[in-house]
Amino acid sequence: DTGVSQDPRHKITKRGQNVTFRCDPISEHNRLYWYRQTLGQGPEFLTYFQNEAQLEKSRLLSDRFSAERPKGSFSTLEIQRTEQGDSAMYLCASSLVQGRHEQYFGPGTRLTVT
Amino acid sequence: AQSVTQPDIHITVSEGASLELRCNYSYGATPYLFWYVQSPGQGLQLLLKYFSGDTLVQGIKGFEAEFKRSQSSFNLRKPSVHWSDAAEYFCAVGLFSGGYNKLIFGAGTRLAVHP
Repeated sequence: DTGVSQDPRHKITKRGQNVTFRCDPISEHNRLYWYRQTLGQGPEFLTYFQNEAQLEKSRLLSDRFSAERPKGSFSTLEIQRTEQGDSAMYLCASSLVQGRHEQYFGPGTRLTVT
Repeated sequence: AQSVTQPDIHITVSEGASLELRCNYSYGATPYLFWYVQSPGQGLQLLLKYFSGDTLVQGIKGFEAEFKRSQSSFNLRKPSVHWSDAAEYFCAVGLFSGGYNKLIFGAGTRLAVHP
């Protein structure tokens, strides 16, 4: 069990550029979640996958955001035409379908939009 | 709407002192409750969880929490704080919607520990 990993850990981009983040969940976990955490706040739910199916998207996820989990393993979160308000920590978590559904979080990707 | 309130934004305690971090939730059904800890530059680590049964739950690193339905609270406690406990602590309620557990977090309490 190597834990949830995220790449990159830090990303600085200019406004208007596109960025993509990757999340690798714990290998046997078939549920994967994305959260966003802004300074001084707790994480907020963005979207959720069970295997490769995206089952829920928060209204926080505007049209500029898209997430995929092509083969039910790793996931990507893309932000197009970034805005300064997108600056945040993007957290990925994974869990099992069975059991108590504890979510295990990765270290996050910190995005700074200048 | 479901929500989690952590009334204390920042708490400072002396090393060796006892600690209690407050958490209140708003949720219509019996909640699934969690406490996570986040150290600088790191992700969230699960400290403990409550699903049902005994309302006093034990977690890692010597933490415990008590679920009080009448007060809609799930306060985190530790009898003797260590300097390494300095971090940000988040309370969360898990929502079962369509068979999964979406987490709603409070805004967090930042703990500082004086030597």
